[in-house]
Amino acid sequence: GAGVSQSPSNKVTEKGKDVELRCDPISGHTALYWYRQRLGQGLEFLIYFQGNSAPDKSGLPSDRFSAERTGESVSTLTIQRTQQEDSAVYLCASSLREVDFFGPGTRLTVL
Amino acid sequence: EDQVTQSPEALRLQEGESSSLNCSYTVSGLRGLFWYRQDPGKGPEFLFTLYSAGEEKEKERLKATLTKKESFLHITAPKPEDSATYLCAVRHYTGRRALTFGSGTRLQVQP
Repeated sequence: GAGVSQSPSNKVTEKGKDVELRCDPISGHTALYWYRQRLGQGLEFLIYFQGNSAPDKSGLPSDRFSAERTGESVSTLTIQRTQQEDSAVYLCASSLREVDFFGPGTRLTVL
Repeated sequence: EDQVTQSPEALRLQEGESSSLNCSYTVSGLRGLFWYRQDPGKGPEFLFTLYSAGEEKEKERLKATLTKKESFLHITAPKPEDSATYLCAVRHYTGRRALTFGSGTRLQVQP
């Protein structure tokens, strides 16, 4: 079956603009995560959704970051008033049990 | 706070030259330790999950082992196609569900 998909694959934006990143999880996966990966570094947790429970937002770095997920389907990560330090690869993962499956990521460049 | 430290940061091997990657971790209540492989421009690809000290898992030329403080990823007779970044991550038994990642080991296998 299809894996996790993300769009766009690349996004270049100007400082101060808002961006929206999309994640399509594997069908039936109840858990969905967003991570950020800066160049040469490991993955940094941003937010976690599990079914209809309240999301775990403890990793969001500022109130400019927000995410939504409707049920067990698509999720969107929104970054408002982008800053140059937001430049990174944003990865989405979904899981049903213990193993998390990752999408290819969206590379965000803020000029 | 969970911590994961991987060493070395980078490793260059000749084809057929076996070696090991290290992942040291500090977590209060380990639910699982995960190894992922990440190729340039792609999302992490799941390799192994280890749950308890003494556990070992193998896949082709890779073997992962776990103690109470660290995990090793042994690579036997590597091939150029094994070149990638190898990421280690831990999941808490309680509390936050998201993975805590190390910064990875960049492996290059030369023919």
